[in-house]
This record gives sequence, C-alpha cells and structure tokens, in this order.
Amino acid sequence: SQTIHQWPATLVQPVGSPLSLECTVEGTSNPNLYWYRQAAGRGLQLLFYSVGIGQISSEVPQNLSASRPQDRQFILSSKKLLLSDSGFYLCAWSAGQPNSPLHFGNGTRLTVT
Amino acid sequence: GDSVTQMEGPVTLSEEAFLTINCTYTATGYPSLFWYVQYPGEGLQLLLKATKADDKGSNKGFEATYRKETTSFHLEKGSVQVSDSAVYFCALSEGQTGFQKLVFGTGTRLLVSP
Repeated sequence: SQTIHQWPATLVQPVGSPLSLECTVEGTSNPNLYWYRQAAGRGLQLLFYSVGIGQISSEVPQNLSASRPQDRQFILSSKKLLLSDSGFYLCAWSAGQPNSPLHFGNGTRLTVT
Repeated sequence: GDSVTQMEGPVTLSEEAFLTINCTYTATGYPSLFWYVQYPGEGLQLLLKATKADDKGSNKGFEATYRKETTSFHLEKGSVQVSDSAVYFCALSEGQTGFQKLVFGTGTRLLVSP
C-alpha cells in the first residue's frame, strides 16, 4: 500500500532563518506531488505541484520554493522565513489518472517567531 | 475561477443527531467533488467523492449527492458520534489530464458532545 511521510511534525524558527520541509511517498511511482498551506482559520491554499522530477509549478508568488530531486521526494524550502510563513503545511500525492483523490501527509506546523 | 463555499462553523451537535454540512460550488466545467476530513493535529483524509451528476458518495455513514442543478454537494450523516468531531472540507477538481488541482472550501468544524 502507498504511504506518505512528512517531517518534521512541528517546527519553530526565527524570522530570517532558512526552512526545509521534506515529504516522501512510498508504494507508488511517478506520483503527482503537492504542497498546500493551511493558515489559521482559513482553507487550504495550493503552493506548488509537480508532475515529475524537476518539474515544479508555483501557484502563488511567495517567499517559498519547492524541489523534486527524486521521483517520490518533494521538498519545500525558504532562504529567509517571514512571520507570514507561519502555518500548517501539508504534502500530498495523487496518481496520474483523472479524478484520482489526493492523499495527504500528517502535516508540519511551522511557527515563525 | 472555480470556488467552493461551505457553511461556517462550528456546527455543534449532540451525539446521535442528524448532520448536514452545506457545500456549493462554482465551476466552468464538470468537476469531480470531494469531502475530506481533518482530525485534530492530522492531515486530511478523503471521506467520499462523486465524479458526475447524481452520483452519491458514501463512507462511514456519511453521504453526499452531486447535484448539478443546484451546484451543491451537501454532506449528511444520520447519527453522529463524538468521534466524528473534526473539520470537514468540501473540494472540487477539474483534473482532466490526470493532474488533480483541488480547490478547497474553508472548512467546517463539527463538534459532537456526548
């Protein structure tokens, strides 16, 4: 069966520090991969998605970047965190077929102080 | 653009009460519709889905029917339990090429008391 791992679960970082969140998927090949952010009291916002290695699409301009160095690895990064980067970050994957559901990791709660 | 509107929460119910969480959508094509559930401190889990008009998705006692004429996908359960307390997200997708770009509602928190 397929599983998705996301870490760390919680993170507290000072403003201006770098960020690296990692997500890996097991049990499937060539998945579509996603990073979402859930801000307090708000819905989910799609940040990045990837349909293959090295292929990254950004949905909103921001202080973050994403990379996919391997087929089942998706990394969210920042060189310098802002207070507004605080939130709950969720990685997800889906199969390549139409109408395939998204499968989410357990999320990373990031607090920028 | 596409959008999803959910009723604001929290929805507070007693155990065994009937649940309805309203969801309406706006889309240019023929989207697939989903309900996801998020338990405290966790990621989202797919609860049910429907891919075409008049389809009914169901899982764990929850149901939702894809109503194209009213652009709605309301979530219902006949008898809620305390363990159903969570945040519920309605979402749509128009992934025609295999890529699923989901648009989520803002979520509705359900609180069930014993």
